[in-house]
Amino acid sequence: GAVVSQHPSWVICKSGTSVKIECRSLDFQATTMFWYRQFPKQSLMLMATSNEGSKATYEQGVEKDKFLINHASLTLSTLTVTSAHPEDSSFYICSARSGTSGGADTQYFGPGTRLTVL
Amino acid sequence: DAKTTQPTSMDCAEGRAANLPCNHSTISGNEYVYWYRQIHSQGPQYIIHGLKNNETNEMASLIITEDRKSSTLILPHATLRDTAVYYCIARSYGQNFVFGPGTRLSVLP
Repeated sequence: GAVVSQHPSWVICKSGTSVKIECRSLDFQATTMFWYRQFPKQSLMLMATSNEGSKATYEQGVEKDKFLINHASLTLSTLTVTSAHPEDSSFYICSARSGTSGGADTQYFGPGTRLTVL
Repeated sequence: DAKTTQPTSMDCAEGRAANLPCNHSTISGNEYVYWYRQIHSQGPQYIIHGLKNNETNEMASLIITEDRKSSTLILPHATLRDTAVYYCIARSYGQNFVFGPGTRLSVLP
């Protein structure tokens, strides 16, 4: 099956620093990738949609200047949390949309990145 | 996207079949039913999807009612590793996946 990787799997940083998270589709090309955030005991919340070579589309309430997304190739998207603060501590998950199979497209998710801001 | 409703939690004995229901009474004709699961501290794992026919793969079976207003995910022989939150999502091609609270399945020894 399709595999999506994320790096790092966890990161601890000091308040005010920036953190970059990479998301790669390993065995397929993804024109569209997605970034989600999940707080403890809650479901996944979509943050933004990124299309290769164009600007990301952010969901309402997500600060685009704080969460910088770059989708420079068909297999790589990055999320940079700028000037991170403790309230940004969360589980960040990326996903990549596969091509069409039987009239449907499917998203495959990465393993997630646990961010802790001290 | 059609709203789906799932039980909050379910238990299943190890080795028995786990049947997870999902209601999607407002589903439209071009919306597929997808199932994902999320094991603690991991990203969601794709399980299966279908439109109107029953589907089976190496992980599970998906049974969709004839009127498409509900579906059931079947794990034929549940193991402890199947303990997870299971999400049922109805969406059409190209639409975003919207995750609800899902069903927390506990497989008991």
